[in-house]
Parts: sequence; structure tokens; C-alpha cells
Amino acid sequence: GQSLEQPSEVTAVEGAIVQINCTYQTSGFYGLSWYQQHDGGAPTFLSYNALDGLEETGRFSSFLSRSDSYGYLLLQELQMKDSASYFCARGEGDKIIFGKGTRLHILP
Amino acid sequence: GAVVSQHPSRVICKSGTSVKIECRSLDFQATTMFWYRQFPKQSLMLMATSNEGSKATYEQGVEKDKFLINHASLTLSTLTVTSAHPEDSSFYICSARGGDQPQHFGDGTRLSIL
Repeated sequence: GQSLEQPSEVTAVEGAIVQINCTYQTSGFYGLSWYQQHDGGAPTFLSYNALDGLEETGRFSSFLSRSDSYGYLLLQELQMKDSASYFCARGEGDKIIFGKGTRLHILP
Repeated sequence: GAVVSQHPSRVICKSGTSVKIECRSLDFQATTMFWYRQFPKQSLMLMATSNEGSKATYEQGVEKDKFLINHASLTLSTLTVTSAHPEDSSFYICSARGGDQPQHFGDGTRLSIL
């Protein structure tokens, strides 16, 4: 996880919008993915950005700026079930390398 | 849709025991499988990459004699933790990819060594 940086924790209120940022090292960069992991579960794929811009999938959107080596995951209309850890991940050839994860706490 | 099945989901065993974890791709041929380890509140750390029919490629710091990986068929890879000790207790997760399929993750195996 040394090649990706993301905040360790974020807290938001139910119904609100939250943005989780991720910066990465550029060498061998193929694209940026986002995964959600609930406690005790396996990671589930949320989105992937290979090119600059915004990808929208329902309440979740992901953004990438290759020139800034930066991306973010945007969660809208937060629900309590969105409480989880969120990992940005980069492709390196066949591999996926994960960031350290951001723990999202949602307050009622 | 494509599914990766991982078994067992939970193992509790005594120190010194060897434990085998299976990872199966159910709807596609997995030319490449990956094994990850995740300690509590930490990230998923890639342990090794295995391609069907060839030796696994281990990440730096992962003991290949400790963590034996076999990928003998296009639908099955196994990870054997040999002579497991309490420090090997962790959450082990496999993933698989093949053809036009992206990486799909198994549900993970929680290993507890007493």
C-alpha cells in the first residue's frame, strides 16, 4: 500500500455526500479502482477509471486526474449500510495493489 | 455472473498444523489467480500471483516454502500454510481473472492458529 495514499478515516452524516481522496505514484500506472469492504467480508468492486474524468454508478461516482496522480470516490445520499472500508487500488500489469483503506463512519 | 468460491471460510487449528485453502472459479477459466493476506484494520497485501501450470510468483518478503501455492487447473488454485503459527493468523483472500473477466474475489478465509 505504499504507492497509494488515502485518509485512514472519514466521518459523515446519513443522507450527506462524502468524498474519499486517493493519490498514487505514477510509475507503471494502468488505472484506478475502488473497492468496498464490510467488516469480515471480502472486497467488492465499485468502479474503475482508466481515463481522466468522472464515472457514475448510481449513488457512487469515481474521478481520476492522471496529470495530478489523483482520484476520488464520491458517495451520495449516504446510508448506514455504506459504513465500511473503502480502498483505492491501482493496476500494475496483472496485479492489483491496494491502498491502506479509508474507514467510513456514518452518523445517524 | 462469474463467481469465485473460496473454501473453507473459517479455520481454527493448533500451532504446527498445515492448512489448505481452495479457490475455485465457477463460471470461467482463471488463467491467473492471486492470493492476498489482510491483518485486522489493514490493507490487502498481495502475497503471490499464480498462473495455471507454472510456478507462483511471490511478492517480496513472502516465504514460498511457508506458503505453498498450486494452480494445477484453470479453475482451481490452492494455498497451503505449512506448519502454521499464531502469527500466521489472518484473513486470506483469493482472486481470479481470465479471458475477458476482470478480477473477481473470493469471500475469504479467516485463519486462526491457537
